[in-house]
Amino acid sequence: SAVISQKPSRDICQRGTSLTIQCQVDSQVTMMFWYRQQPGQSLTLIATANQGSEATYESGFVIDKFPISRPNLTFSTLTVSNMSPEDSSIYLCSAGAGLGYGYTFGSGTRLTVV
Amino acid sequence: QKEVEQNSGPLSVPEGAIASLNCTYSDRGSQSFFWYRQYSGKSPELIMFIYSNGDKEDGRFTAQLNKASQYVSLLIRDSQPSDSATYLCAVIPQGAQKLVFGQGTRLTINP
Repeated sequence: SAVISQKPSRDICQRGTSLTIQCQVDSQVTMMFWYRQQPGQSLTLIATANQGSEATYESGFVIDKFPISRPNLTFSTLTVSNMSPEDSSIYLCSAGAGLGYGYTFGSGTRLTVV
Repeated sequence: QKEVEQNSGPLSVPEGAIASLNCTYSDRGSQSFFWYRQYSGKSPELIMFIYSNGDKEDGRFTAQLNKASQYVSLLIRDSQPSDSATYLCAVIPQGAQKLVFGQGTRLTINP
């Protein structure tokens, strides 16, 4: 299974600012995803990061708020833009080689917006 | 109806017993099924995945899939206190490559 390095592990940010989260995979993977997890809740998919093209966003998430880049098969970034306290959450990167393989997760980024 | 449903628990099991975790899904065409374990404050960790009807065993863990009844379960034999965690069921719906998660079942193993 792929090993994922995600950073930063945590941050405290001022409202109105932006934070970029990085996800580096130790091998080439087909699929990369970004999730959000509120305390005590399950995981909510934000978007699928597509290599070389625009990300595919889930209902309720838009590119202006959560721009995503994926320049190659091992790296992706998620930016949380114009942050408000409601954006405080854990953000998780996931990656895998597609159907027939398991998807693994990065260690997560705990974001607090004040 | 939620795409993936789990009993949120908490499920309490004595040490050494078998813990049984269940999950149902709504998309009959779903093709891949995963169980993740998540300790408090940590990210999800993949335990097992299963694609075919029947049982798949890995050490103390057994995943069971019944596509006709649209459920998947996870059995943990000889439960240990270190198994105490939230267990997340995830499904890849037909035609998709993304995981859809259930709400998770919190499991506590009592010494």
